[in-house]
Amino acid sequence: SQKIEQNSEALNIQEGKTATLTCNYTNYSPAYLQWYRQDPGRGPVFLLLIRENEKEKRKERLKVTFDTTLKQSLFHITASQPADSATYLCAPPRNNNNDMRFGAGTRLTVKP
Amino acid sequence: DAGVTQSPTHLIKTRGQQVTLRCSPKSGHDTVSWYQQALGQGPQFIFQYYEEEERQRGNFPDRFSGHQFPNYSSELNVNALLLGDSALYLCASSFWGVYSPLHFGNGTRLTVT
Repeated sequence: SQKIEQNSEALNIQEGKTATLTCNYTNYSPAYLQWYRQDPGRGPVFLLLIRENEKEKRKERLKVTFDTTLKQSLFHITASQPADSATYLCAPPRNNNNDMRFGAGTRLTVKP
Repeated sequence: DAGVTQSPTHLIKTRGQQVTLRCSPKSGHDTVSWYQQALGQGPQFIFQYYEEEERQRGNFPDRFSGHQFPNYSSELNVNALLLGDSALYLCASSFWGVYSPLHFGNGTRLTVT
C-alpha cells in the first residue's frame, strides 16, 4: 500500500541551528512533491514544490531535495528562528493529478 | 483578494445526522479538494472537484459526497454521522492540472456526539 512517512513526530532544536526533516514514500512515483507548514488551528500553507528533474530547490532559508531513487525528500531550515516552530507536512500527489496526499507531519520546535 | 473561505467554522452534530460544509475557493481557482484531518494526523484526501465533477477520490465511504457549483464553490456532505467523523475538515483550492499549489481554508471543526 502507499505510505508517506515523516521522520519523527517532533523535532526540537536550538535557535540558529539547521532543522532537517525527512519524508519517505512507498509505492508512489510522484512527478513532484510539495511541502507545507501548518500552525495550530489553521490550514496548511504552501512552502515549496520540487519536480522530479530538480535535485534541489531553495527559497530564502528553506531548501528541499528530492531523490526519486531513494524515494525521499529532505526539508532544511537554516538559521532557524522560534517563529519557524510549526508542523511541516510533506505531500506527494498520488496520481500526478494534483491529488496531494499528506504525511502525518513533523512538529518542529525552535527554542531561543 | 479573498483566500479560501469555509463555513461554518465550528459545528456540533449528533450521531446519525447529516451535515453540509461549504467552501469558496480563492479567486481565479477552478479546482476544489476536501480533506479530513484528525487530531495529530496529516490531512486525509477525501475528493477533488473540477468542472462540477468528482475527479479523484480517496478512501472514504459513500456517506461522503460533494458538489461543485458553476462559480467553483463547493459543498461537502456527510450522511449518517459517526463519532469517528469528528475532525477538522479542510477545503483547498488550486488551478486544474499539475504543479499547482493548494491554498487551504482554516477548516470547519466538526464534533459528533
